[in-house]
Parts: sequence; C-alpha cells; structure tokens
Amino acid sequence: GDSVTQKQGQVTLSEDDFLFINCTYSTTTYPTLFWYVQYPGQGPQLLLKVTTANNKGISRGFEATYDKGTTSFHLQKASVQESDSAVYFCALVEWAGANTGKLTFGHGTILRVHP
Amino acid sequence: AQTIHQWPVAEIKAVGSPLSLGCTIKGKSSPNLYWYWQATGGTLQQLFYSITVGQVESVVQLNLSASRPKDDQFILSTEKLLLSHSGFYLCAWSIQGWEQYFGPGTRLTVL
Repeated sequence: GDSVTQKQGQVTLSEDDFLFINCTYSTTTYPTLFWYVQYPGQGPQLLLKVTTANNKGISRGFEATYDKGTTSFHLQKASVQESDSAVYFCALVEWAGANTGKLTFGHGTILRVHP
Repeated sequence: AQTIHQWPVAEIKAVGSPLSLGCTIKGKSSPNLYWYWQATGGTLQQLFYSITVGQVESVVQLNLSASRPKDDQFILSTEKLLLSHSGFYLCAWSIQGWEQYFGPGTRLTVL
C-alpha cells in the first residue's frame, strides 16, 4: 500500500529562519498529496494540496513542490513566525472506490519557533 | 459555510464501560464522513468511512463500530472500552474524496 515518510521528528528554529520539512512517499498510482497543520488540542487543518497536474501548492507563505523523480513533497517557508509552531503532517490520498479516498499520514514533524 | 461539531469535547471512562462519540456536519449535503484515531504525539489512523446513510466501511479493527443514522451524523461506539482506546478521535468530511476537513476532536482517556 501507499506510505509516507517524514524523517524529522522535530525542527527547532528562530523567528525569520527558513523552514524545510522533508516528506517522501511511495505509491503505485498518480499521487495527490497534502500538508496538514495541527495546533495543540485541535484537529488538523488542510494547509496545501498538490496534484500531478499542478505540481506546486502555496498557502499562507508555505510552499510545497511535488517531485516525481525523487518522490518527495517537501514543505518550505522563507521566514517562520512563532505562530507557525505546530505539528505538520504530510499525507497521501489513495483511491478507496465510490468517490472516496483513504488518507495515509506521515508521523508528523513538530515545529518549534523561538521568538 | 460548513461546520463540523464533535461531542463530547472530552471523556474520562473506565475500562469495560461503553462509549459513544458523535459528529455532525452542517452546510454540506451528502458528504463522505470519516473517523480517525490519534494516539498522543502520534499520527492519524483512519478507522471508518461512510459515503451514504446506513453504510459504513471499516478500515482498521480496533474493537470499535461506527454508524451513520442521518446524512449529517456519524457515530463511533463500543460496548467495552480498552486502555488502548485512549487518544484523540477526529471526525472528517469530504466531497468527492480528496481533501478531507477535520473536526475539533474528542479527547478520550480510559482508566
């Protein structure tokens, strides 16, 4: 089945630093990929979506590019703020039939941004 | 605008006791609905999904069951809780299956 790998368990930065969170995936189909962000005590929020059609997603200063060659979908942001501190999940959707999909999540990367 | 509500916000229950968690979606007609479980500090695991009233598919067996009694309602339940059921339960919805939008979650502690 499909799988998603986030190697970084935690990333610690200072405000205005550059953010890079690694995500690689494995699938036998054309992927649709997502980044979700989860703040403490809340449900995950959809941050970005990328398909093979558009290759790149941008939202709230975050950017992710789908690279078929390296099967990667890394998340980047030029300048982080303390308010970006949260857990970031990479996810891959797998067709489950009848117009629905099964999301497979990575293990998440905790981002801590110090002022 | 669509809203998703989960109840209760948190529960503390004894091992062996029954459980019922609920989820309601407003502002979307005939959504696909999902239940997820998240261990503390862990990833999200899909448990069930439903594409229509009365039909629920199981993804992972965790001694839990789910039902969809109304178009906008999804219920997660068990007759006997285990310690391993502790965690964060999330309901999600989608239209056409790709982007899924999550509710605020229910924190369950089993003692």
